[in-house]
Amino acid sequence: TQLLEQSPQFLSIQEGENLTVYCNSSSVFSSLQWYRQEPGEGPVLLVTVVTGGEVKKLKRLTFQFGDARKDSSLHITAAQPGDTGLYLCAGRDGNKLVFGAGTILRVKS
Amino acid sequence: DAGITQSPRHKVTETGTPVTLRCHQTENHRYMYWYRQDPGHGLRLIHYSYGVKDTDKGEVSDGYSVSRSKTEDFLLTLESATSSQTSVYFCAIRTTGGNTGELFFGEGSRLTVL
Repeated sequence: TQLLEQSPQFLSIQEGENLTVYCNSSSVFSSLQWYRQEPGEGPVLLVTVVTGGEVKKLKRLTFQFGDARKDSSLHITAAQPGDTGLYLCAGRDGNKLVFGAGTILRVKS
Repeated sequence: DAGITQSPRHKVTETGTPVTLRCHQTENHRYMYWYRQDPGHGLRLIHYSYGVKDTDKGEVSDGYSVSRSKTEDFLLTLESATSSQTSVYFCAIRTTGGNTGELFFGEGSRLTVL
């Protein structure tokens, strides 16, 4: 099983600050996804990146897939309290989706 | 949106008892998955199914079995529950194919084994 490491594990910031979450692996993935999960709910897909070097934007969120397709990052600009949650990256390994341990983000107003 | 429901949503049981969690989808998606979520571990795959009566193991399959007799239902069974199986269990369906294979998750089933 391929492994994904996320950093940091926990991030507490003030509203309006910028932040970056990292997802790293020693293995190559055919695609990588980012999910966001709120307490008491299941994860919800934010984005899928497929091509090495690909950059996707979702409002204030910018996702990047590494050139070698082994890593990814999520950058949030001007974080809002509504961005609070658990962010999970996941890589496709055949028919399976392998998840990182997640980054807990808390944005204080 | 894909319709997916899990039952029960909450269950408390005792060590050694059997437990079955049910995942039901209202669409005809071929792939269904069971994950468990524990603090510090993210989501770990238990078993998945790629069709009726077709299943395969994930990374944490010991102590669990699954069955899929109909496309819409995927059952997860703990034959003899242990305290280490206390967790939140999520079912997911794969809503897209090809290289992306995006997952849509249920709301989770919280299981406590005393």
